[in-house]
Amino acid sequence: SQKIEQNSEALNIQEGKTATLTCNYTNYSPAYLQWYRQDPGRGPVFLLLIRENEKEKRKERLKVTFDTTLKQSLFHITASQPADSATYLCALGVDNYGQNFVFGPGTRLSVLP
Amino acid sequence: NAGVTQTPKFRILKIGQSMTLQCTQDMNHNYMYWYRQDPGMGLKLIYYSVGAGITDKGEVPNGYNVSRSTTEDFPLRLELAAPSQTSVYFCASRTRGAEGTQYFGPGTRLLVL
Repeated sequence: SQKIEQNSEALNIQEGKTATLTCNYTNYSPAYLQWYRQDPGRGPVFLLLIRENEKEKRKERLKVTFDTTLKQSLFHITASQPADSATYLCALGVDNYGQNFVFGPGTRLSVLP
Repeated sequence: NAGVTQTPKFRILKIGQSMTLQCTQDMNHNYMYWYRQDPGMGLKLIYYSVGAGITDKGEVPNGYNVSRSTTEDFPLRLELAAPSQTSVYFCASRTRGAEGTQYFGPGTRLLVL
């Protein structure tokens, strides 16, 4: 069956450290993968997109990798800050027309001062 | 631009009642989506639309109906509310193209008692 998982429900790290979040999927062949941030009581906000033929993408303190052989994406936040505390969702683009997306359950990140 | 707006913010329904969740976007996006999010779960796609007059089912369409008479509006109708429909509902829109990012509304929290 098709499944998309994120490594853990919650992750606590110390301020200044690098947070690494994992997104694993089975029985999908996504053309691209997106990461979103969601704060409590609000809708998700887009952060980064990586295509199937790209290994790595960066944006400021954020880095995403995409390994289609392992069926895994890693999302890194370097020099983490308490303001980075939120839930992070990965989403697979599961058709070439961009009509359908499948979201993971999310990882709740807490950055402790 | 207001982006994606949703009304109401919160609603309590009795079992068997019906209601319409409103969604409007002012970005002239072709694609619009309705998701539901249950605690600790990812977003599940209910219905989507690729343009005015065109709608299609997502992963969890049972108990819901949609219409898309204009580019801007994409209302979601619950005909006979059930406790299983207690959830937070998010509307999203995006431009045409396989990799367009989704812009989400603030959500509607629905409680069915």
